Amino acid sequence: EAQVTQNPRYLITVTGKKLTVTCSQNMNHEYMSWYRQDPGLGLRQIYYSMNVEVTDKGDVPEGYKVSRKEKRNFPLILESPSPNQTSLYFCASSQGQGGTGYTFGSGTRLTVV
Amino acid sequence: SQQGEEDPQALSIQEGENATMNCSYKTSINNLQWYRQNSGRGLVHLILIRSNEREKHSGRLRVTLDTSKKSSSLLITASRAADTASYFCATAGAGSYQLTFGKGTKLSVIP
Repeated sequence: EAQVTQNPRYLITVTGKKLTVTCSQNMNHEYMSWYRQDPGLGLRQIYYSMNVEVTDKGDVPEGYKVSRKEKRNFPLILESPSPNQTSLYFCASSQGQGGTGYTFGSGTRLTVV
Repeated sequence: SQQGEEDPQALSIQEGENATMNCSYKTSINNLQWYRQNSGRGLVHLILIRSNEREKHSGRLRVTLDTSKKSSSLLITASRAADTASYFCATAGAGSYQLTFGKGTKLSVIP
């Protein structure tokens, strides 16, 4: 089944403790992206990647890092999480330059206390 | 930066009625897409309409695009309780992979 897999689904952590949210897609998509979703703010893009070793900032990149060493994986790294990074995170992938729909993962609900 | 703005923010209708949601955007686009999100779940791609298209259908969905007014509408005909969800429009600029989402319309279909 074609899908984007995110892990973990839920995560509670403490301020300052480094964490990684994994994202993997099995569709050989070139483009991958991370979004965060907050009430009243909608979905905002954090980082995106157009291919292996090619990443760029989205609208809200502060406090996040990403890497794209393999085509299928695009992990999101929070080196020193803070409470304002409590949010619902989504990974998505797409083939084609904006001309096809995105496939989204099921989301990771992160709470930083 | 937020590109699309959906209207209304919330919509409540009876099962069997039609639901119409609107989306306005600011800059020129390559295509516009609609997504559905059930509470707390991932977004599901519904339909994509390109800038040179005016109308597109998929099952009970009908999407229109007016590039002169920078607006789009999503019509769901003969709604069902299972259509209860949030609906988002998203725009892709020319030559761009990036999608920019609006804040969504929350649709409630009452059985």
